[in-house]
Amino acid sequence: QSVLTQPPSVSGAPGQRVTISCTGSSSNIGAGNDVHWYQQLPGTVPKLLIYGNNNRPSGVPDRFSGSKSGTSASLAITGLQADDETDYYCQSYDSSLSGWVFGGGTKLTVL
Amino acid sequence: QVQLVESGGGVVQPGRSLRLSCAASGFTFSSYGMHWVRQAPGKGLEWVAVISYDGRNKNYVDSVKGRFTISRDNSKNTLYLQMNSLRAEDTAVYYCAKDRYSGYDTGGYFDYWGQGTLVIVSS
Repeated sequence: QSVLTQPPSVSGAPGQRVTISCTGSSSNIGAGNDVHWYQQLPGTVPKLLIYGNNNRPSGVPDRFSGSKSGTSASLAITGLQADDETDYYCQSYDSSLSGWVFGGGTKLTVL
Repeated sequence: QVQLVESGGGVVQPGRSLRLSCAASGFTFSSYGMHWVRQAPGKGLEWVAVISYDGRNKNYVDSVKGRFTISRDNSKNTLYLQMNSLRAEDTAVYYCAKDRYSGYDTGGYFDYWGQGTLVIVSS
């Protein structure tokens, strides 16, 4: 059971907007710790997608955006494309555990 | 460009030991915190351990405390993970990952990842 909770799966049609939630607690997201997001294509290494809640590394399309409020965060993907179909993970720091934590991952399906 | 190359994985019997290495290049290794992150077959990502840039700060996920030891040799640009008393549930791909910051910053995140090395614990 992951410290950060993500829906196991989400889906959307091409061109649509989807959001992936990441729910934490007062010891991680709610404690003011930043949330970061990673994309992991099948059989590949995780890739940084969003850092510091809402910042995109160079090369990441602006179709991807992040937000954070209270004890939760969200990843939004607009203009859904077929190659967005993969796994997404949120990550933060947990002050009670004194360690980095991930969400369980969300599989995005493009219908 | 940043490169992280893990080695040392393999098949090991329960209770035995294994040492993973991660050779870093393309950045000033001694300036950044480093992590190990693992992924069991078909499962999600799990953070395992962190070491600060200077080697003074180390921390571990509860499930490996007392069994795993993270270390680094800044003169060799290499990160290590000594894994003792291995269990079946330690079976995973182990990734080394570079922290964006020093390893002391709780806002740290993983900006570069190695390709991973597979550890299988089985009799």
